Amino acid sequence: GIQVEQSPPDLILQEGANSTLRCNFSDSVNNLQWFHQNPWGQLINLFYIPSGTKQNGRLSATTVATERYSLLYISSSQTTDSGVYFCAVGSGGSNYKLTFGKGTLLTVNP
Amino acid sequence: DVKVTQSSRYLVKRTGEKVFLECVQDMDHENMFWYRQDPGLGLRLIYFSYDVKMKEKGDIPEGYSVSREKKERFSLILESASTNQTSMYLCASSAYLSVSYEQYFGPGTRLTVT
Repeated sequence: GIQVEQSPPDLILQEGANSTLRCNFSDSVNNLQWFHQNPWGQLINLFYIPSGTKQNGRLSATTVATERYSLLYISSSQTTDSGVYFCAVGSGGSNYKLTFGKGTLLTVNP
Repeated sequence: DVKVTQSSRYLVKRTGEKVFLECVQDMDHENMFWYRQDPGLGLRLIYFSYDVKMKEKGDIPEGYSVSREKKERFSLILESASTNQTSMYLCASSAYLSVSYEQYFGPGTRLTVT
């Protein structure tokens, strides 16, 4: 099956810093989502982005499907951005099923 | 807004008990999913359903069964709970054959089997 690798596994920032999280995948995809898991375990949808670029406030994402990677940008980070960020992909005939990466644990210190 | 709800946030059960985890979505989605999340292993798909009474095994179906009698409700059943089923269980839903396959998740159920 498709492989999903996220980097870095851990990231520590000071409030106000910018960061870039990366997601590499091993096959072509027609579904790619970024999630933020809050401290209570809820997965919050950030972006549905199988290709192209999207922005939502301080967050933006870019997927270059031909090169099999996606990037999540967080600008002017806040302590509430802390948590685990997951990339998940769907491919081929199973594009409605998601395969998750292991996540990036982001800690934003005040 | 899409809303996916799960019957319990925390659940403690004894080994050997039959356990039901319920999930309800309010968006008339065809697809529904059950995942479990474990430290170091990430999220793994247990079962999914693409229509009422239809189901398919995911990556780790052993020890679980599912039921989908109504479109909005998808149940995960642990026939005889074991300690290795202690985990966080997450339900999700998505539309079928649409321009977007975006999945939406419920708040999760932390199950402890003692």
